Amino acid sequence: QVQLVQSGAEVKKPGASVMVSCKASGYTFTRYYMHWLRQAPGQGLEWMGIINPSGGSTTYTQIFQGRVTMTTDTSTSTIYMDLSSLRSEDTAVYYCARSANSYYFDYWGQGTLVTVSS
Amino acid sequence: DIVMTQSPDSLAVSLGERATLNCKSSQSVFYSSNNKNYLAWYQQKPGQPPKLLIYWASTRESGVPDRFSGSGSGTDFTLTISSLQAEDVAVYYCQQYYNTPSTFGQGTKLEIK
Repeated sequence: QVQLVQSGAEVKKPGASVMVSCKASGYTFTRYYMHWLRQAPGQGLEWMGIINPSGGSTTYTQIFQGRVTMTTDTSTSTIYMDLSSLRSEDTAVYYCARSANSYYFDYWGQGTLVTVSS
Repeated sequence: DIVMTQSPDSLAVSLGERATLNCKSSQSVFYSSNNKNYLAWYQQKPGQPPKLLIYWASTRESGVPDRFSGSGSGTDFTLTISSLQAEDVAVYYCQQYYNTPSTFGQGTKLEIK
């Protein structure tokens, strides 16, 4: 069965960076796109960007340009999201999610809470 | 960016009754070349990730009960739960994937009356 398993919760200080991982299993990793989304406490969903595990090409939403880096390791079927220059507004649950060629998300990771606090 | 607006923000429906949730996009998400609406619906329960219910505006995801149905085209869409069950209490989000960035509505919180 398809599973996306994310790394554990993080607490970071403002200005620091955080890396969240998402390990995929149960399907051919390179045949699907992978996305990162986030959800601030009590808020809605925000799409951050996409990575193609086959080749590693990425597209980031404009508000995260320059602060986010998404990478992939096909040897372990894992993707990573690195967010730098953290501020309190980045406190959120971060999700990885899978899509086919059209970007609706059929499987999601369990979420990783990132708390930014001094 | 396409702005997605859901209504109402919250909704209370009696068990066994119909629930109707609305979603409006700021521009059409219908692609005429393939006759498809690039619109999905998700259900999110507390402490859980969203769950895909509907894609292409009206295609039910495998395993989703048939009391859930999606309709609409262009800019106006509806998610209908034909007979509300206790386990349907959740927040429901619509999403457009017509272009990037993909965007979501603010959510409709569905409760039992």
